[in-house]
Amino acid sequence: SSELTQDPAVSVALGQTVRITCQGNSLRIYSASWYQQKPGQAPVLVIYGKNSRPSGIPDRFSGSTSGTTASLTITGAQAEDEADYYCNSRDGSGKRFFGGGTKLTVL
Amino acid sequence: EVQLLESGGRLVQPGGSLRLSCAASGFIFSNYAMSWVRQAPGKGLEWVSVINGGGEETYYEDSVKGRFSLSRDNAKNTLYLQMNGLRAEDTAVYYCAKGRLWSPLQDDIFDMWGHGTMVSVSS
Repeated sequence: SSELTQDPAVSVALGQTVRITCQGNSLRIYSASWYQQKPGQAPVLVIYGKNSRPSGIPDRFSGSTSGTTASLTITGAQAEDEADYYCNSRDGSGKRFFGGGTKLTVL
Repeated sequence: EVQLLESGGRLVQPGGSLRLSCAASGFIFSNYAMSWVRQAPGKGLEWVSVINGGGEETYYEDSVKGRFSLSRDNAKNTLYLQMNGLRAEDTAVYYCAKGRLWSPLQDDIFDMWGHGTMVSVSS
């Protein structure tokens, strides 16, 4: 199956830790990548591979995978982390697919 | 600085055609796979298509296969998406996104995105 499932919404208190999850069978074989999208803006890559961050992404963002579940963890969430987060993976045929997205609210 | 600049989006009638362009700069364009990703108003991201660095290999999301055609001109550092038989459900912001590797079979990561171009399909 090429489906990736995310919780629609998650909230976290300022400065606390939050985990956003992504479930899908493809994650047994292929790593997830994670994208942050703020209103009116293009998505930005925040985590890829096993747990790599592009230049400029704060180290409070980390990623992990266990079985068919990938997780994006924000340790010490900041107000500017409030955004939609999407996971992404692929199948062996070249196709890619995104999860439905998780809206993160920082309280 | 890596830049991706999409253009070509507009209002078009159902059944019509449109060609989107993505002008790339700041990197060796021919070295990387390139994709289009779309986002319908108020909805999530949906991958549309990917092409390898040489332009010989393409893959499509099922709902656009046979209607959309992805190509690239490496001499002009430009990616194209020819969209035929447009439907209301194709209405979306279309983003151009850069891959990290030459082959789309090796990598599915989009490490740079353009700001998008809006396509509206309506009568």
